Amino acid sequence: AQSVTQLDSHVSVSEGTPVLLRCNYSSSYSPSLFWYVQHPNKGLQLLLKYTSAATLVKGINGFEAEFKKSETSFHLTKPSAHMSDAAEYFCVVSDWRGGGNKLTFGTGTQLKVEL
Amino acid sequence: SQTIHQWPATLVQPVGSPLSLECTVEGTSNPNLYWYRQAAGRGLQLLFYSVGIGQISSEVPQNLSASRPQDRQFILSSKKLLLSDSGFYLCAWSVWGSTDTQYFGPGTRLTVL
Repeated sequence: AQSVTQLDSHVSVSEGTPVLLRCNYSSSYSPSLFWYVQHPNKGLQLLLKYTSAATLVKGINGFEAEFKKSETSFHLTKPSAHMSDAAEYFCVVSDWRGGGNKLTFGTGTQLKVEL
Repeated sequence: SQTIHQWPATLVQPVGSPLSLECTVEGTSNPNLYWYRQAAGRGLQLLFYSVGIGQISSEVPQNLSASRPQDRQFILSSKKLLLSDSGFYLCAWSVWGSTDTQYFGPGTRLTVL
């Protein structure tokens, strides 16, 4: 069975400082991994995805994540936080399931950005 | 381009009343469709997924059911709501036959009183 662990439920940074949101995964297969962002009372927006190509994945809004198989990690980073980055972030692993893919979500990390 | 719609956006219902939430997708054919629930302070839980008309798989036993009467329409229902059914319900779609990305709708906030 696959699983995802987001190591921090809340992260607080100052505007202009780096962001690091940590994620570890467990999967029996070569996984597809995703990061989604959710602003309050909104749907989920895809930030980036890893599908066994380059291990460093660049996404939207300046975010990127590095797939490290030896550490089973897929941490999300951004060099400089912006106030608009304040939201909840979900690390997700995908599993093939009979014609469709099943996503397993982490419990989320709430990112707070302070002035 | 593809778009996904959900309605209603918000809903307040008494315990024991029925429920019908609708999700439609435009701009694609034969999508995989998914229903998720997000309870307060928790991650997303997959409730149902469908790989074709009339084909529904349930992930967890519960008070809810799902139907897919048309290719791009996915309905979440209940005959009698429970307090524990409150939450944020998200519909999603993906391209059939791949492990590609799931795209989410705007969600429905359901409060059961």
